[in-house]
Amino acid sequence: EPEVTQTPSHQVTQMGQEVILRCVPISNHLYFYWYRQILGQKVEFLVSFYNNEISEKSEIFDDQFSVERPDGSNFTLKIRSTKLEDSAMYFCASSPGQLFGDNQPQHFGDGTRLSIL
Amino acid sequence: AQKVTQAQTEISVVEKEDVTLDCVYETRDTTYYLFWYKQPPSGELVFLIRRNSFDEQNEISGRYSWNFQKSTSSFNFTITASQVVDSAVYFCALSEAAGNTPLVFGKGTRLSVIA
Repeated sequence: EPEVTQTPSHQVTQMGQEVILRCVPISNHLYFYWYRQILGQKVEFLVSFYNNEISEKSEIFDDQFSVERPDGSNFTLKIRSTKLEDSAMYFCASSPGQLFGDNQPQHFGDGTRLSIL
Repeated sequence: AQKVTQAQTEISVVEKEDVTLDCVYETRDTTYYLFWYKQPPSGELVFLIRRNSFDEQNEISGRYSWNFQKSTSSFNFTITASQVVDSAVYFCALSEAAGNTPLVFGKGTRLSVIA
């Protein structure tokens, strides 16, 4: 079964450094998402992406964050100047969109654990 | 605004017991989707079920069953004859039906099944 893949599984970065988290969504999916889960807390939406542009973003997704689909397969999340509070698990998700008028579920990758020192 | 409440923070049961995880939601939308995801200790999010707000039929899948009641805005999840492998954090989530809108998650319920 096709799956969303994320790399790396664990990233350790010094505060203030830039970090890029990578995702390869399922190949025929059209909608892409990033979510964040601070340790022990709930999963929170960051941003959604469709047709090469951001379709929706949360209050968490401020100017330090950006997303990009640099080619036909990758979907990246960049954090420009990391802060201690950016330490979290970051999940990428994708969905095919509507199928016969019915929204399809989002499929999640295994996540990237980001640790800011 | 949408909101999902999972009042049970942690539940501990002995293997083979049945357990029900509660989920109550709030939304102004007339059509919406409800979901359950499982997060095992390894950390990934595993999709379990999606329910359209028009479909109030209960669903059973093996040892798992879901009870959707629009009148009480609840979408509860029951595991029958629990097993140690069921130990995980379970998240209930909600999304609008229009477009591919983000999921709003509850805080999750940590289920521990003891052998």
